[in-house]
Amino acid sequence: AQKITQTQPGMFVQEKEAVTLDCTYDTSDPSYGLFWYKQPSSGEMIFLIYQGSYDQQNATEGRYSLNFQKARKSANLVISASQLGDSAMYFCAMGDIARLTFGGGTRLMVKP
Amino acid sequence: KAGVTQTPRYLIKTRGQQVTLSCSPISGHRSVSWYQQTPGQGLQFLFEYFSETQRNKGNFPGRFSGRQFSNSRSEMNVSTLELGDSALYLCASSLALASTDTQYFGPGTRLTVL
Repeated sequence: AQKITQTQPGMFVQEKEAVTLDCTYDTSDPSYGLFWYKQPSSGEMIFLIYQGSYDQQNATEGRYSLNFQKARKSANLVISASQLGDSAMYFCAMGDIARLTFGGGTRLMVKP
Repeated sequence: KAGVTQTPRYLIKTRGQQVTLSCSPISGHRSVSWYQQTPGQGLQFLFEYFSETQRNKGNFPGRFSGRQFSNSRSEMNVSTLELGDSALYLCASSLALASTDTQYFGPGTRLTVL
């Protein structure tokens, strides 16, 4: 069984600063994918970034980067230069084929 | 490419009624997954359809059912609604050929059961 843990229920960050959202996972599968989604108050889940278990380099996507430490089973999301529009819930998820297991989420609040 | 669409966006029903939610995937995606999101339980997987066949099912009672049509559009049905079924229902589409395939979500249907 797959398990995702997000230990930060809520976080504040100052606008223009960087912030790291923590995610640890557990799985016995040798091949897996890790995903981060953003959920604004509107409810839609927006895909941000993906990391494959065999990827040699950490994934990056614009202001988003993933600090993937396989031995520690962690896949932390780093958001650089925070913007007010980044205020939302953030979910870490692990994928089986077409079936995601989600963590409890972190509510990020960006202060002006 | 158009994204995942869900209809309706909001629904209000009373206990005992049934409801049908619809999801149209991204063109070319044959897999549709459904999730329930509640404040207490978080995001939970309901089931997944691929080429009109249910491939995977979460731990939900039989009141929750679904189907998929030949054009990959999917419907989810909840019968005999209970207060606890009030939730945001999200569907996602993907190629679903590997565990590494990304799922793309629709805007969700917010169901309120009174």
